[in-house]
This record gives sequence, structure tokens and C-alpha cells, in this order.
Amino acid sequence: AQSVTQLGSHVSVSEGALVLLRCNYSSSVPPYLFWYVQYPNQGLQLLLKYTSAATLVKGINGFEAEFKKSETSFHLTKPSAHMSDAAEYFCAVRRGSTLGRLYFGRGTQLTVWP
Amino acid sequence: EAQVTQNPRYLITVTGKKLTVTCSQNMNHEYMSWYRQDPGLGLRQIYYSMNVEVTDKGDVPEGYKVSRKEKRNFPLILESPSPNQTSLYFCASSPQGSTEAFFGQGTRLTVV
Repeated sequence: AQSVTQLGSHVSVSEGALVLLRCNYSSSVPPYLFWYVQYPNQGLQLLLKYTSAATLVKGINGFEAEFKKSETSFHLTKPSAHMSDAAEYFCAVRRGSTLGRLYFGRGTQLTVWP
Repeated sequence: EAQVTQNPRYLITVTGKKLTVTCSQNMNHEYMSWYRQDPGLGLRQIYYSMNVEVTDKGDVPEGYKVSRKEKRNFPLILESPSPNQTSLYFCASSPQGSTEAFFGQGTRLTVV
């Protein structure tokens, strides 16, 4: 079975500081991994996805994530936080071989201080 | 504009009064899903559909029904809502062969 665990339900950083949001996965098959962002009162928007191509994946808004099989991790990073990055971030894994089924982590709320 | 549209966005109802939340997508996607989002629990899948007339249970299907009579629509039905179904609901769609899900704006449901 596939699952993801997000470490830290809340992360706070200062504007300009490094953002690191952690996600570990469990999968018996090569995983398809995703990061989604949810801004207040909005739906989820895809930030980036890993589909077994390059292990370093670049997404929108300056975010990137590195797939590390040895550590079963897919952490999300951004070199310099901006106030507009404040949102909730969700890591997700595709469920088995069924396209369109995703298993989501519990989410990490990112706060950016001026 | 390509989008997933949910209605209503906000709904307050009373226990036991049947309700339907509609979801429509204009991207001709095969896959559609319903999720509920609760604080500290992330998103949990309620039901999903792989195509017209093909639906299956997700992780938390109790108390919900769905139907997929047309490719574009995937309504969520609560036959007898209870307060524990108070939540934020999202509909999502995906094209066949893709790994990406497109989400609606959400429906905030309160059952009193």
C-alpha cells in the first residue's frame, strides 16, 4: 500500500529564509509523488510532481523537490521564502496502479514572518 | 477556461435533510474523485470514478453516495447528513493516462 507522512504540521520561517517541508513515502511500487499547495479559501494547486524521470523536480513559484529512494523522501524546498508562500502544503502519492487516486499527507501549514 | 466547478460553495443544513453537491468538469476527463478535508487529517478520498457508470469506494465512503451518468458530472449525495459530515469537500478530475488531479474550489458543508 502507498502512503505519505508529512513531518511537522506547522513550519514558520522568516521572509528570505530557506523553506523545507518534509515528506516521507511508503510504496511497494515505484511511486508517483506530488506536492500541492492550498491558499486560504481556495482549492488545491499542483506545485510539482515526480514520475520516475529526473530525481530533482522543479515546480512553480521557485519550489523544487528531490526524490531520494534510499531515504524514501520527497522533501519540498525553496531557497528564499516570500510572504506569498504562506499556505498549506500537501504531499501526495498515487495509489497503486489506479490513475486518479491519490493518498494525501496531513498537510503542513507554512507561515512566513516579515 | 478549463476548470472543475462545485456548487454550492457554502452550505448549512440540518441533520437528516438530504443534499447534493454538484461537480462538473469541462476537460473531458475520465477520472473524477471526491475528497473531504478535515483539520489535521489532510484530504481523504470518499469515492472515485474511472468513467461513466464506473464508481468505487475510497477510504471514507460511509454516509455518501455518488453517481456518474455523464462524463462531465459527478455529484456527491448525502442521503441523511449528520454533524460528523461537517467538512470541506473537494471534487477533482484527471485525464486518462495522467497522474495529475485538477481540483475544484471546494464546498464547505456544515450540518447542525
